[in-house]
Amino acid sequence: DVQMTQSPSSLSASVGDRVTITCRASQSINNYLNWYQQKPGKAPKLLIYAASSLQSGVPSRFSGSGSGTDFTLTISSLQPEDFATYYCQQSFIARTFGQGTKVETK
Amino acid sequence: EVSLVESGGAVVQPGGSLRLSCAASGFTFSTYDMNWARQAPGKGLEWISYINSRGNTIYYADSVKGRFTISRNNAKKSLYLQMNSLTDEDTAVYFCSRSLSEWLPDDYWGQGTLVTVSS
Repeated sequence: DVQMTQSPSSLSASVGDRVTITCRASQSINNYLNWYQQKPGKAPKLLIYAASSLQSGVPSRFSGSGSGTDFTLTISSLQPEDFATYYCQQSFIARTFGQGTKVETK
Repeated sequence: EVSLVESGGAVVQPGGSLRLSCAASGFTFSTYDMNWARQAPGKGLEWISYINSRGNTIYYADSVKGRFTISRNNAKKSLYLQMNSLTDEDTAVYFCSRSLSEWLPDDYWGQGTLVTVSS
């Protein structure tokens, strides 16, 4: 099984901050890495797929990078609606989620 | 408009069984692969099962293998999850989602249905 390790588990940030979340796979997953945003009581929303491709309708302040085992989600300028929990997911072998990163207001 | 609506969640006793359904509309269901994931109260997302568009490729997470069965009926545009031998660790909101292939992401998700395992 592919294990996904996400860090940090939580972070505090202010509107306008640059935020970076990392995700590491236990083996190479090429670029089969996706990022989701989830707000309380809601379904996950796809942000980034194939490590760096922006899903249609997602603001360009969200970006992804990486390949192999190490990946990054960056929010270039945090907006009020971005306070949420973010998950990475590998889709190379079945699926596995990271444990999530909660982005809270400072 | 794409829609996925889960149903069948309930309170069930430990050792019991439950069948969840996911009704799809607004897209050609038979051309999409489908997944089930769950989220225990206050916890993260856990993927639990995948089925391809034709229903002949299926995967399970180790945590549910041998207890849960995924299936689909393309004519009824529905996805199912048969859950047996339930324990309190299966208490969660269960989500269905779609993907265009085994390696592509889940681009639409349902809102989830709550399963509570309790005596």
